[in-house]
Amino acid sequence: AQSVTQPDIHITVSEGASLELRCNYSYGATPYLFWYVQSPGQGLQLLLKYFSGDTLVQGIKGFEAEFKRSQSSFNLRKPSVHWSDAAEYFCAVGAVGSNYQLIWGAGTKLIIKP
Amino acid sequence: GAGVSQSPSNKVTEKGKDVELRCDPISGHTALYWYRQSLGQGLEFLIYFQGNSAPDKSGLPSDRFSAERTGGSVSTLTIQRTQQEDSAVYLCASSLEVGGEAFFGQGTRLTVV
Repeated sequence: AQSVTQPDIHITVSEGASLELRCNYSYGATPYLFWYVQSPGQGLQLLLKYFSGDTLVQGIKGFEAEFKRSQSSFNLRKPSVHWSDAAEYFCAVGAVGSNYQLIWGAGTKLIIKP
Repeated sequence: GAGVSQSPSNKVTEKGKDVELRCDPISGHTALYWYRQSLGQGLEFLIYFQGNSAPDKSGLPSDRFSAERTGGSVSTLTIQRTQQEDSAVYLCASSLEVGGEAFFGQGTRLTVV
């Protein structure tokens, strides 16, 4: 069965500290991988995506993610978080060209300590 | 249009009434999704449309929910005989094709009183 797991429901980090949000997937095809962010009261915005090529992808707002096929993971990282990064982050997996729709993780809520 | 447009942005309705939520996807996008997001929760898949194929309705929570997509463009999500548990934000997204990058609207906040 296809699934996406974000093991951490909440993560709290201090402003200026590094961040890693975990995403693991189980998928029956070569995956396309996405991270979205939802700030309070806002819609979902794409942070970054991986389709092919370099497994380390850069996104907006200083985020990056690394695709590790052997671990079925696509973890999101940022070297130094800002208070404005407080939001909910969603990982999603798709496969363009198949009939598989996007599968979503449950989200990780990021809390920033001053 | 430039982005996915949803209307209304807010809707308050009385329990038992029917409501219609509208989604205008990005022009040319063949895939269209409806999701529901309750307060503090993740995305609950409702239905998706892909081109002229039969929609995947597997996420619709009850037969009070239905959706259609006319002419492969605008979609309407209808909730009949609304219940208080239907209160949530209803999000629409479109993508060039199913499984690709999804572009989201701002959502419709539905409150059933």
